[in-house]
Amino acid sequence: SQTIHQWPATLVQPVGSPLSLECTVEGTSNPNLYWYRQAAGRGLQLLFYSIGIDQISSEVPQNLSASRPQDRQFILSSKKLLLSDSGFYLCAWSARQRTNEKLFFGSGTQLSVL
Amino acid sequence: AQKITQTQPGMFVQEKEAVTLDCTYDTSDPSYGLFWYKQPSSGEMIFLIYQGSYDQQNATEGRYSLNFQKARKSANLVISASQLGDSAMYFCAMRELMFSGGYNKLIFGAGTRLAVHP
Repeated sequence: SQTIHQWPATLVQPVGSPLSLECTVEGTSNPNLYWYRQAAGRGLQLLFYSIGIDQISSEVPQNLSASRPQDRQFILSSKKLLLSDSGFYLCAWSARQRTNEKLFFGSGTQLSVL
Repeated sequence: AQKITQTQPGMFVQEKEAVTLDCTYDTSDPSYGLFWYKQPSSGEMIFLIYQGSYDQQNATEGRYSLNFQKARKSANLVISASQLGDSAMYFCAMRELMFSGGYNKLIFGAGTRLAVHP
């Protein structure tokens, strides 16, 4: 069966520090991968999606970047964090080339930038 | 632009009763998909139910059913026989138009917080 791992679960970082959040998927190949952010009490906003290795698309301009060095690995990064980067970050995957396929989410990372 | 609206920030229901969570959407795409996810306090997003725009029947999954009214552009979630464990945030989401590469971009509503009382 497929599983998705996301870490760390919580992170407290000072403003201006770098960031690296990692997500890996097991039990499937060629998944579509996604990074979402959820502000407190709000819905989810898509940040990045990827349909393959080194193929990243950004949905909104921001202080963050994403990379996919391996088929089942998706990394969210920042060189210098801003206060506004605080939030709950969720990684997700879906099966490639299957319309209306549901997204499977990781357990999320609560990021607090102080 | 596509949009999802959940007008109920919070709802409460008595245990064992049914509850309806509202969701309306706006799209000009004739082909779309609607999803409901549950987010307990742990933060994970749990898929509940899916409805395709061309599906003839309303979707059902155990105690969850989707009241799909296409002309009104609504996709309300009905939870029957509520349980204490149903207390969580519930999000309605819509699949955006598919582009080449076959990815599924979901846009989410703001969510409804459901509290089930004993």
